[in-house]
Amino acid sequence: NAGVTQTPKFQVLKTGQSMTLQCAQDMNHEYMSWYRQDPGMGLRLIHYSVGAGITDQGEVPNGYNVSRSTTEDFPLRLLSAAPSQTSVYFCASALQGEGSYEQYFGPGTRLTVT
Amino acid sequence: AQSVTQLDSQVPVFEEAPVELRCNYSSSVSVYLFWYVQYPNQGLQLLLKYLSGSTLVESINGFEAEFNKSQTSFHLRKPSVHISDTAEYFCAAGGSSNTGKLIFGQGTTLQVKP
Repeated sequence: NAGVTQTPKFQVLKTGQSMTLQCAQDMNHEYMSWYRQDPGMGLRLIHYSVGAGITDQGEVPNGYNVSRSTTEDFPLRLLSAAPSQTSVYFCASALQGEGSYEQYFGPGTRLTVT
Repeated sequence: AQSVTQLDSQVPVFEEAPVELRCNYSSSVSVYLFWYVQYPNQGLQLLLKYLSGSTLVESINGFEAEFNKSQTSFHLRKPSVHISDTAEYFCAAGGSSNTGKLIFGQGTTLQVKP
């Protein structure tokens, strides 16, 4: 299994540009999520999904959109990039249900918005 | 609302010395607790987890953590650290809502010196 994969690894955008960060998992996990990591702030949840066709907002959803058309993929869209969105983005997946909750993380995407 | 607080942003320690990384959580419902480790320029890896049962949990590389319900703590300890333990450590908490959502602490950088 490849686990959780993310592309690209690095990206530089100009203010106002749009882009999609890709995330895929091959473990048949129902739960997927996106976090951003900023120095001194830990990981903050942006959006999450408990299954195909179901998404919900996390702690910091503004400026980001998600969709979940398949179990495997969970892309994150930045509609109009801002410098405040400069961060490292991590995608994670997990099984649902009692006794699970262990989240598997991708390697991250380092985004710089100038 | 659930929250996780890591009391130290940086912990410098000499090689072979003991270390404790502190984590406190707040929750009015059942809680699942995790420690994740992040090595430089990598994603997060699960170090250990508490779901139920024995309050003392151990990892394969010598770390242990104890769930203390009365003090709402889940401190991470290792009796003798190695240079290779240098990394950032994150404490995280999840609830019993079956959504798989995790709340992360701010992170603690463990710096092991020779």
